[in-house]
This record gives sequence, C-alpha cells and structure tokens, in this order.
Amino acid sequence: KNEVEQSPQNLTAQEGEFITINCSYSVGISALHWLQQHPGGGIVSLFMLSSGKKKHGRLIATINIQEKHSSLHITASHPRDSAVYICAAPGPGGGADGLTFGKGTHLIIQP
Amino acid sequence: EPEVTQTPSHQVTQMGQEVILRCVPISNHLYFYWYRQILGQKVEFLVSFYNNEISEKSEIFDDQFSVERPDGSNFTLKIRSTKLEDSAMYFCASSVAYEQYFGPGTRLTVT
Repeated sequence: KNEVEQSPQNLTAQEGEFITINCSYSVGISALHWLQQHPGGGIVSLFMLSSGKKKHGRLIATINIQEKHSSLHITASHPRDSAVYICAAPGPGGGADGLTFGKGTHLIIQP
Repeated sequence: EPEVTQTPSHQVTQMGQEVILRCVPISNHLYFYWYRQILGQKVEFLVSFYNNEISEKSEIFDDQFSVERPDGSNFTLKIRSTKLEDSAMYFCASSVAYEQYFGPGTRLTVT
C-alpha cells in the first residue's frame, strides 16, 4: 500500500503568484495522478504522469521517480484556480489497483 | 467527450435500509472502481473490478458492500443495512490502463 503525503495542506496566495504543491509517496509507482476538486465535490483529473514533466495551460506537473516526489505548479494564478488539489498514487498492481489519495491542498487565490 | 456518469446525484436513506448506487463507466474501459469521501476527509479506495470480478478491495469494503456489473454498461455499488457512518460522497471511476476517469459522485446521506 502506498502512503501519499502532500504539502502544504492549506495555501492562500495573491492573484498572479506562482504556486507549488508537493507530493511524496512511499512505494515506486507506474504513474501519479494530480486531481482537482471544487466545492460541490466533483473530481477532475488534471494529469497522469510517469516521468519528467507535463504542461497543460498554466498547470505544470513534474515527477522524480527516484526520489518518489512530484510537484504541481500553477503559473499566473487566478481566483478560478481556487480548489483542492489532490495527488494520488496507484499500488504496485497497476490498473487493477485503486488509488491512494493524499489529503489534498486547499488553495485559495485572492484577487 | 465520453464521461463517467453516476446516479442519483444525491440519495437520502434511513439507517438500516439498502441502497444501490449506479455508475455508467466509459464504454471501452476495462477497470472499474468505487471510492468514498466522508465529509472533510480524504478520498478512500473501496474496490476495483476487472474481468467481471473484484480485483482488489480495501478494509472498508466488508460484507456490507457488494459490486456488480449487471449488464454491459452499468456498474453498481450496493450497501446493505446502511449506517450513519456510511454518509459520504461515493465516486465511481473507470480506466483502460492507468489513467482513471471519475464520475461526478453520489452524495449519500443516512439519517
């Protein structure tokens, strides 16, 4: 079973700031998920990455497999980015394994 | 774009009653999952399902719970004799391999 730790738990920043959220996990994995959860509860998948870096708009995710660490960055943050950001890691069984979720980072971007 | 759907969006039931939560995964996906999120807590894995049988289940998924794929499209979670502590958001997800796609969730309230 993977243990997933995220930091910080809460983050408040001003519009335009560069945001970094960190995630570490205990067991080597095939791919790590970054997810977004808005008030109201729905979960949206942002990234799944197994190596290196992925970029989607103002969001960038990086992963270091050797160090078992991933980061999610938001450039030019905007109030609409306010949400809970969650990283989740699978078990060693790959697709058949459920994800272990971090506790999430509650991000608030103030105008 | 194909998406995972769940019904109902909100279910209220009395303690001791049985509930069935329904999910329609994305049509060519092979792996199916149920997760739950108790209010204020992190998302927790319940069960994964592949090739018409349970692949993995967590400690939470005891005899009170069962899953079924009754036809080619639906994937259901049955909770027998509901308890107050079953109140949570229940998410269904599906995947082809590693990347999981989440449904919008069913909020279950047990009174």
